[in-house]
Amino acid sequence: ETGVTQSPTHLIKTRGQQVTLRCSSQSGHNTVSWYQQALGQGPQFIFQYYREEENGRGNFPPRFSGLQFPNYSSELNVNALELDDSALYLCASSLVGTANTEAFFGQGTRLTVV
Amino acid sequence: GEDVEQSLFLSVREGDSSVINCTYTDSSSTYLYWYKQEPGAGLQLLTYIFSNMDMKQDQRLTVLLNKKDKHLSLRIADTQTGDSAIYFCAESSGNTDKLIFGTGTRLQVFP
Repeated sequence: ETGVTQSPTHLIKTRGQQVTLRCSSQSGHNTVSWYQQALGQGPQFIFQYYREEENGRGNFPPRFSGLQFPNYSSELNVNALELDDSALYLCASSLVGTANTEAFFGQGTRLTVV
Repeated sequence: GEDVEQSLFLSVREGDSSVINCTYTDSSSTYLYWYKQEPGAGLQLLTYIFSNMDMKQDQRLTVLLNKKDKHLSLRIADTQTGDSAIYFCAESSGNTDKLIFGTGTRLQVFP
């Protein structure tokens, strides 16, 4: 049990729709990172939020956007959903700025786009 | 660019040792990690090693790092059926701590 919770656990959306995924970070952590894991692949870094600002972004289009709130929870928004967006979306919380380098992952949200 | 590679599949008999290998390309990697993922679940951090270390042991797990060859391995002693899962190697560098993952190695343990 990592203390990182994601909601919902499963979601089915239609192509072209918009989706919001949520993540509550582990207590005391100040950073949230989002990853996309397609079936049979390793997780791919989408972006990271630190102190409510985007702090690094992977190779994902602008229709992937995010927010971090003062309590360090976070949202991932995806607009204009495409079939290839079907994946497991993982969030990880960590404490950047200290010697502690561990990132703890939630159980993920499995998004299916039909 | 950054790239992490792993073999796709490993099958071992219960009680034997498992060795999962990983190669990476980013010479500025600061930390290297091993994560475990069971079916339908998120990622569980197993262990990590700082890039200036050669070896780290944690109970049944031994991590070996050859920085010159950019090769990382995870040895699981006395492998059990509960160890069956996908194992991901990951590296991080820079101030974002973003993780670059390999494609994962599926470990199957048979009786």
